[in-house]
Amino acid sequence: EVQLVESGGVVAQPGGSLRVSCAASGFNFDDRAMHWVRQAPGKGLEWVSLINWNGNRTYYADSVKGRFTISRDNSKNSLYLEMKSLRPEDSALYYCARGRGSEAWSFDYWGQGTLVTVSS
Amino acid sequence: VVMTQTPLSLSVGPGQPASISCKSSQPLLNSAGWTFLYWYVQKPGQSPQLLIYEVSRRFSGVPDRFSGSGSGTDFTLKISRVEAEDVGVYYCMQSTHLPTFGQGTRLEIK
Repeated sequence: EVQLVESGGVVAQPGGSLRVSCAASGFNFDDRAMHWVRQAPGKGLEWVSLINWNGNRTYYADSVKGRFTISRDNSKNSLYLEMKSLRPEDSALYYCARGRGSEAWSFDYWGQGTLVTVSS
Repeated sequence: VVMTQTPLSLSVGPGQPASISCKSSQPLLNSAGWTFLYWYVQKPGQSPQLLIYEVSRRFSGVPDRFSGSGSGTDFTLKISRVEAEDVGVYYCMQSTHLPTFGQGTRLEIK
């Protein structure tokens, strides 16, 4: 069974930094691209970032480019999102999602999310 | 690419059909002939789940009352007979370009 468990969400100050993580199990993690998708409270879905299977290629939404960094550790079946220069509009539930292939731009399974709140 | 869904909310009686439209601001057919249009549902209190991939292919375990169709910039999700468990918010998403989602369509049962 595919499982994705996010962690690390907290209340952070504007301008601050934070790293959220995603622990994957139930599939060959190093066969799949991985994504972060976020959902502001009561709002819709926004794709944030993609990393390919071996970490050589990363892509970002314009709203986070230059501030967020996606990474992965295939030896630990883990995905990360380093967030810097946080803004109130970054407040959201952050989901990790499994890519539908090694370089896939789409995703099938999602975790339950970790809540990031940016507030002073 | 802007994805526009209509309607934004839908109230349907059990056993009745439902249809959601999704229009993209740019064509979603890529140079290799693939159209990367997806449908997800977010049931109350849950994470989104994949229903349909590449316009019309049902994901594993998705009932055959769900179907997807369309091409170019116009796409549709149909539920042939709505059941109580179908309540939720339905999102279309494209990944031909940088992924973008529609605003979501809330389905409720009358």
